[in-house]
Amino acid sequence: DVKVTQSSRYLVKRTGEKVFLECVQDMDHENMFWYRQDPGLGLRLIYFSYDVKMKEKGDIPEGYSVSREKKERFSLILESASTNQTSMYLCASSLPGRSSGNTIYFGEGSWLTVV
Amino acid sequence: GEDVEQSLFLSVREGDSSVINCTYTDSSSTYLYWYKQEPGAGLQLLTYIFSNMDMKQDQRLTVLLNKKDKHLSLRIADTQTGDSAIYFCAGTGNTGKLIFGQGTTLQVKP
Repeated sequence: DVKVTQSSRYLVKRTGEKVFLECVQDMDHENMFWYRQDPGLGLRLIYFSYDVKMKEKGDIPEGYSVSREKKERFSLILESASTNQTSMYLCASSLPGRSSGNTIYFGEGSWLTVV
Repeated sequence: GEDVEQSLFLSVREGDSSVINCTYTDSSSTYLYWYKQEPGAGLQLLTYIFSNMDMKQDQRLTVLLNKKDKHLSLRIADTQTGDSAIYFCAGTGNTGKLIFGQGTTLQVKP
């Protein structure tokens, strides 16, 4: 019954490494999102995509990029990881439209530690 | 843009009612949502309310919306230890993208 799958639950990377976080959804959703979650800050949107090869910056895109080559897959890339990117990263997908919050599904999260 | 604020922590005793509060700034949100995050998991949609409603009840959950004050609350009746989690309110604002509050950690003491 898994709908949004994040391939890595726990990662430890070194400063300066390139990091890929992968997310796959099986619901044929158009929208996909990457958030980071930090205590006291809630969820902050990094990037989202509303179609294959389409992407838009969220509220905190600096230091991140994304790739959406197939509808079901949305990748988050940290070109050169830094310690302030230590966080939990949540992927989500939804149907389009203003009621998208009714149809959004989240993955279980990827805990990234940058040392 | 939309800004959503929540208090960070609430502690209640098992069997009591819990009330989690949220304020938002953008009155154009069509829907307002409550999500629950259990430890080690992603968020799950708990309930939502359409912006032209004042109240919505779903079993032990009651959502109240005060549009004038831009205030949203979630009441959990007969709170159980299994209700311990982080609760997020969210709105879409005029961009259609979800904007989340900081999350309220609910601690239920036996």
